[in-house]
Amino acid sequence: SQQGEEDPQALSIQEGENATMNCSYKTSINNLQWYRQNSGRGLVHLILIRSNEREKHSGRLRVTLDTSKKSSSLLITASRAADTASYFCATASSSNTGKLIFGQGTTLQVKP
Amino acid sequence: DAGVIQSPRHEVTEMGQEVTLRCKPISGHDYLFWYRQTMMRGLELLIYFNNNVPIDDSGMPEDRFSAKMPNASFSTLKIQPSEPRDSAVYFCASSLQAGFKDGYTFGSGTRLTVV
Repeated sequence: SQQGEEDPQALSIQEGENATMNCSYKTSINNLQWYRQNSGRGLVHLILIRSNEREKHSGRLRVTLDTSKKSSSLLITASRAADTASYFCATASSSNTGKLIFGQGTTLQVKP
Repeated sequence: DAGVIQSPRHEVTEMGQEVTLRCKPISGHDYLFWYRQTMMRGLELLIYFNNNVPIDDSGMPEDRFSAKMPNASFSTLKIQPSEPRDSAVYFCASSLQAGFKDGYTFGSGTRLTVV
């Protein structure tokens, strides 16, 4: 079963706008990670945020984590056409099994 | 590093045939994961290895699926006999410290079509 639920399922914006994707999960986590998948390709790791962190930045990416609400958000600022892809959140359980459980993903389209 | 290498990229086979998918993880990564991706079910973890030993195979759908890791640089996922519902993209991923502290590096996947 999937741990993460992403919202929205699909998002279409214009180049230059910001894109926000949300992820909710059910169990206690060690960390939460975000991945990008371009069409027909494998997933690429973007950023990892630990359960004791609230916010993390990497370039144009900003991730927040609210463990009390069991939710996370990924913000892509000043989007580009090249950001068009599917974005997945993945959770690592606090039981330290080492495995990641992925959500269903958000499909982002950035129009030039 | 060439990354995680999967072969073949595409496989079309007839129902009932044996299918073998191959994966070469990144050198030095102690963890290897096999995932399956479909539109209906998303990304499902099938099995993962730590230091070549299977740790959790609870995601393997049924006995028709088997996975091996004979050494640190090679793993196979075998389906015998294959069925149309096995059609999916199969990903292999490797990691230095599993999900504890770092992310996974995924291969490009094998798109399997069973007709």
